[in-house]
Amino acid sequence: QVQLQQSGPGLVKPSQTLSITCDISGDSVSSNSASWNWIRQSPSRGLEWLGRTYYRSKWYNDYAISVKSRATISPDTSKNQFSLQLNSVTPEDAAVYYCAKGGSGWTVAIFDSWGQGTLVTVSP
Amino acid sequence: EIVLTQSPGTLSLSPGERATLSCRASQSVSSNYLVWYQQKPGQAPRLVMYGASSRATGIPDRFSASGSGTDFSLTISRLEPEDFAVYYCQHYGMTPPWTFGQGTKVEIK
Repeated sequence: QVQLQQSGPGLVKPSQTLSITCDISGDSVSSNSASWNWIRQSPSRGLEWLGRTYYRSKWYNDYAISVKSRATISPDTSKNQFSLQLNSVTPEDAAVYYCAKGGSGWTVAIFDSWGQGTLVTVSP
Repeated sequence: EIVLTQSPGTLSLSPGERATLSCRASQSVSSNYLVWYQQKPGQAPRLVMYGASSRATGIPDRFSASGSGTDFSLTISRLEPEDFAVYYCQHYGMTPPWTFGQGTKVEIK
């Protein structure tokens, strides 16, 4: 059973960088049959997929257009975790951020395991 | 990008009643790539249904899904107290981005 445990600050100042980490247990960030995603949820945007990292002989990333220029999702194989960095945050980035596991092939975006969520507030 | 519209926004029912939640897509999609999640207050979403009619691990058989084309539904045959929550549909293709509906809240009447 896969478990995802998130960590990171809940308060970020405007224009600074949001950084959240997701520790994986029960699977490997380097798995060839999984993808590791970030999804956020806010009252104004609902559930919004932000991006993913996955390994298929090499590392790949995809990002939502809304955050592509500001987001970086990185795996850390030594710690079996992955992280989200979002630069230049504004109040519109305030949300609950979730990490989630997806599959591969036809299960690529079936998110069957989720982290507990990190409430991010953007305020001076 | 496919837009998913869920209705109703809120469904007020009593335990034991049948709940039918709707998810309409802005264009025809395959039911194989339509997913349903359940979310309770303060918790992350939980996978409920996927692949047209497959229940996720631990989901009881009172949950079922159906639909094709642009109209899909999630049915809970007899509501139990633990079923009162917000339900989201999600569509995906082989490449991102992937989108969610805005949710239907099933509340106790």
